[in-house]
Amino acid sequence: DAKTTQPNSMESNEEEPVHLPCNHSTISGTDYIHWYRQLPSQGPEYVIHGLTSNVNNRMASLAIAEDRKSSTLILHRATLRDAAVYYCILRGMDGTSYGKLTFGQGTILTVHP
Amino acid sequence: EAQVTQNPRYLITVTGKKLTVTCSQNMNHEYMSWYRQDPGLGLRQIYYSMNVEVTDKGDVPEGYKVSRKEKRNFPLILESPSPNQTSLYFCASRLGQGGVYEQYFGPGTRLTVT
Repeated sequence: DAKTTQPNSMESNEEEPVHLPCNHSTISGTDYIHWYRQLPSQGPEYVIHGLTSNVNNRMASLAIAEDRKSSTLILHRATLRDAAVYYCILRGMDGTSYGKLTFGQGTILTVHP
Repeated sequence: EAQVTQNPRYLITVTGKKLTVTCSQNMNHEYMSWYRQDPGLGLRQIYYSMNVEVTDKGDVPEGYKVSRKEKRNFPLILESPSPNQTSLYFCASRLGQGGVYEQYFGPGTRLTVT
């Protein structure tokens, strides 16, 4: 899987929007961009994924740059429950990695009351 | 409720005593895998299974065995645990392979080998 780069940590205040960036300059044309998060003492949790177009779901929005070399996970109103480690992961369509998610160090998001 | 379950959640054992960590999913997913998480090393895949009776090694398979006799279950077996297998273990499942599918993780099993 291609490599992603994320900031080590970010901070936000409760009820403010949070923009978590991810760089993936070596992304291939068939790589999906996935975001997962891991709350303290829990397993990773799927957040959102996309290929080319921006995506929205009940948890977050994903904004994908036109050249696909970067993306941004947007939490529209951060809550204390959103404090977690956020992972940006690229997943290809071919079978060579057979579903393995390659987790980097992720971004530690701290939300202040 | 769609979920991945693991048992036990916590386990303390001694070196060499065989143990099994069970994993079960109720989503009829074809793909299942095991990861371990260690400080500073992140999550690393141990084994995966693309379907019943089809398993293969991940990045760190040494010291572990798996089996997939039923679609819903994917147990992780440590035949002779050692202290370096002390870790937090996660089971995961997914509908199929390819980048479009999301992966579901279990709550984790914290294993301590003394």
